[in-house]
Amino acid sequence: SAVISQKPSRDICQRGTSLTIQCQVDSQVTMMFWYRQQPGQSLTLIATANQGSEATYESGFVIDKFPISRPNLTFSTLTVSNMSPEDSSIYLCSVLGHLSNYGYTFGSGTRLTVV
Amino acid sequence: GQQVMQIPQYQHVQEGEDFTTYCNSSTTLSNIQWYKQRPGGHPVFLIQLVKSGEVKKQKRLTFQFGEAKKNSSLHITATQTTDVGTYFCASRTGANNLFFGTGTRLTVIP
Repeated sequence: SAVISQKPSRDICQRGTSLTIQCQVDSQVTMMFWYRQQPGQSLTLIATANQGSEATYESGFVIDKFPISRPNLTFSTLTVSNMSPEDSSIYLCSVLGHLSNYGYTFGSGTRLTVV
Repeated sequence: GQQVMQIPQYQHVQEGEDFTTYCNSSTTLSNIQWYKQRPGGHPVFLIQLVKSGEVKKQKRLTFQFGEAKKNSSLHITATQTTDVGTYFCASRTGANNLFFGTGTRLTVIP
C-alpha cells in the first residue's frame, strides 16, 4: 500500500493566522482526501483533491477557509486559514489503496492547536 | 451525508474477555470497511465487506455484514492489551469518498 509523509506532525498557532499542511505520497494517486478529527471524535471528510481540477468540498467546508492545492499526482496541501480555537483538531490526508486492497491509507496526521 | 452510528461509544473489558462493536446505518450500504486507530495514531485499514451476510475472520477478529447491508459488527475474541484503540466502521461511496462511523473506544484492563 502507499506510504504517506505528512507534515508538520503538530503545531501551535495564533488565532487569525494560517497553517499549510503537506502530504507526499510515494506513488501516483488520482484522488487524495483530507479529513478533520476533532478531539475524541470520528473523522469528517473535508474535501477530495484531484490533480488538475478544483477540490470538491463536503457540506460545511468551504474553499476560502480550507484552500487545497494538488499540483501533481503525489502531493497535496491543505491550508487552514484565519484560524480560531475551534479549528484545533487533527488533520489527516488519505489515499485509496491498491485495487486489490480497497482500504484507505492515512498520513500520520497534523495535530493543530490554535491559541 | 451518510449517518452511521456505532455502539457502544466506549467499552472497558478485562484482558481475555470478548468485545463486540456494532455499526448501524440508516441507509443500505454498498460496502463496509473497518479501521483501527491506536491512541495517538492514525486509522489503519482492517477489512472490507461487500456481500450481504458476509463473514470474514482475521485471527481473533470476526467481521460481519448484515443481510440487509445496513449493519455490521466486529467481534474480538479473548482481547489483549494490543487491541486497545478506537474501532471505526466506514463506508465508501461511488465517488470513492469514505465516510466514518462514530467509533467505539476499547480499553483493555490487564
